[in-house]
Amino acid sequence: EDKVVQSPLSLVVHEGDTVTLNCSYEVTNFRSLLWYKQEKKAPTFLFMLTSSGIEKKSGRLSSILDKKELFSILNITATQTGDSAVYLCAVGGTSYGKLTFGQGTILTVHP
Amino acid sequence: GAVVSQHPSWVICKSGTSVKIECRSLDFQATTMFWYRQFPKQSLMLMATSNEGSKATYEQGVEKDKFLINHASLTLSTLTVTSAHPEDSSFYICSASSFAGLAGVLQNEQFFGPGTRLTVL
Repeated sequence: EDKVVQSPLSLVVHEGDTVTLNCSYEVTNFRSLLWYKQEKKAPTFLFMLTSSGIEKKSGRLSSILDKKELFSILNITATQTGDSAVYLCAVGGTSYGKLTFGQGTILTVHP
Repeated sequence: GAVVSQHPSWVICKSGTSVKIECRSLDFQATTMFWYRQFPKQSLMLMATSNEGSKATYEQGVEKDKFLINHASLTLSTLTVTSAHPEDSSFYICSASSFAGLAGVLQNEQFFGPGTRLTVL
């Protein structure tokens, strides 16, 4: 059974701090790892990673995948209150198109 | 990016009634749609995978007779919660994916609808 574990489960920081969110996985026939941000409604797509060691970057957010150690990290620099959300990691494996989600990390950024 | 809509965004119903939720891909053809359920402070739990023109594949523990899924076209899938009970109250989210590339590989990237909050009294 595919498994995705995120840590920490929750994180409280102040504006301007840098945070690192972790995602480890066990999946048969790994295809890709995805990061989503979920605020009050449905998740919005952040990154999809398929290759090890290649950093994906979008503004203050960046992510990298290590397929040997089976984990990924999501970094957010100079955090803002608008970054407060649940960050979900999901992995696509054996079953075509199916994603297995981790529990999520609840990030709270205080002014 | 691809846009997926859901309707209604929220619904309140009495116990024992049936509720239909629609999921539409607005600007692409979704060969596959996924239905998730999310309870408060929990992650997304996949309920079923729906392919256009064929029967849905349900995850273990999900009753197919209670959660009826229809995927009649490449842009529309519906989830009907039959004889809803208070324990069915949840946030239901659909997502859509499509084949891409010459090999016709189903992309792992899923585009999510805004979700439907169901409250059963």
